[in-house]
Amino acid sequence: NAGVTQTPKFQVLKTGQSMTLQCAQDMNHEYMSWYRQDPGMGLRLIHYSVGAGITDQGEVPNGYNVSRSTTEDFPLRLLSAAPSQTSVYFCASSYDGQPTGELFFGEGSRLTVL
Amino acid sequence: GQSLEQPSEVTAVEGAIVQINCTYQTSGFYGLSWYQQHDGGAPTFLSYNALDGLEETGRFSSFLSRSDSYGYLLLQELQMKDSASYFCAVPGAGSYQLTFGKGTKLSVIP
Repeated sequence: NAGVTQTPKFQVLKTGQSMTLQCAQDMNHEYMSWYRQDPGMGLRLIHYSVGAGITDQGEVPNGYNVSRSTTEDFPLRLLSAAPSQTSVYFCASSYDGQPTGELFFGEGSRLTVL
Repeated sequence: GQSLEQPSEVTAVEGAIVQINCTYQTSGFYGLSWYQQHDGGAPTFLSYNALDGLEETGRFSSFLSRSDSYGYLLLQELQMKDSASYFCAVPGAGSYQLTFGKGTKLSVIP
């Protein structure tokens, strides 16, 4: 059971480049979400999805796009990377479709934008 | 919106007991969660309290007082491996957004 898998684990981008952070879960979870973590800021919600075909914005959505075409996958797209997007990104999923229960996190993707 | 306050750092001695407090403000309350994160690692779920009182899971216990908008995580018989950051979190009212506190960095010293 792999749980939540994120790729890549590390990435360096130049300002203006685009990229996609991949997230896949094999637990048949309905709820999936993306967080970014910056020093001293805790975890901040970027986007989330309560099921295939449904996405919504979190606290800090600007500069990011998401889609949810399958239950398993929830990719995060940076359309034009900026240095302010340098961060550690975590994907998380939940069994019961609501974040009141246990969130399962991936190991994180560490992104540096130069 | 939601906001949570927790101390930024706590230091405790191996074998001792430490309490990490969390106060929250939210327009609708569904429960308080706690997560642990070791340096360089992913957050992992510790506990969830929806009702007032103390819930115990091994060396860790979590307490909630809804009337005081307050909770705490209690770690007993501290071990060096408990050195980590601990986050409290609350869901938003009527939404699926989980808001985290900024975290408390616990250092366990010999």
